[in-house]
Amino acid sequence: SAVISQKPSRDICQRGTSLTIQCQVDSQVTMMFWYRQQPGQSLTLIATANQGSEATYESGFVIDKFPISRPNLTFSTLTVSNMSPEDSSIYLCSAARDSYEQYFGPGTRLTVT
Amino acid sequence: TQLLEQSPQFLSIQEGENLTVYCNSSSVFSSLQWYRQEPGEGPVLLVTVVTGGEVKKLKRLTFQFGDARKDSSLHITAAQPGDTGLYLCAGNTGGFKTIFGAGTRLFVKA
Repeated sequence: SAVISQKPSRDICQRGTSLTIQCQVDSQVTMMFWYRQQPGQSLTLIATANQGSEATYESGFVIDKFPISRPNLTFSTLTVSNMSPEDSSIYLCSAARDSYEQYFGPGTRLTVT
Repeated sequence: TQLLEQSPQFLSIQEGENLTVYCNSSSVFSSLQWYRQEPGEGPVLLVTVVTGGEVKKLKRLTFQFGDARKDSSLHITAAQPGDTGLYLCAGNTGGFKTIFGAGTRLFVKA
């Protein structure tokens, strides 16, 4: 398994600003992912964070809006840029080592006013 | 587009009752996971099934993978309030990409 921490746990941001969410894993992992989730609903994959190369984005998500970094095998950041109220959501990072099993962070609850 | 359909979407039951949650697709999966998520937390992996017809038990939870590896079920015996949460199934068709079902929100009343 892996233990994953996220910072911040929650934030309230003004429209038009940006927020960077950090994800730290307690050990090296192969894959890291970023998801968005509305409370009580399923997960929507934003992108796969690749170490040493650009992230792979899912349909409907673009790098300009959600830039992602992954400088090493234990850390990744997701930035939500030029925020609008529609970006209010829970953002989750997850990690996988050598199988499909993913381990999730506790999430970042973002409210945009 | 690959889809994983979960049913029911919402379930409210009394403590001690049994329940079954279903996860269905027209796609064949190489493996399937079940996760449980409590409010304010991230999903926690419960089990992975990989072989068609496989049955796994985790205390009062029984997981089954369909023979054709297109569907799965989660059965909870004698549900307890601590079982309350969002249950998500997730299927893999290759690589690390995972498809999540819409989720089943379970509420167990004491």
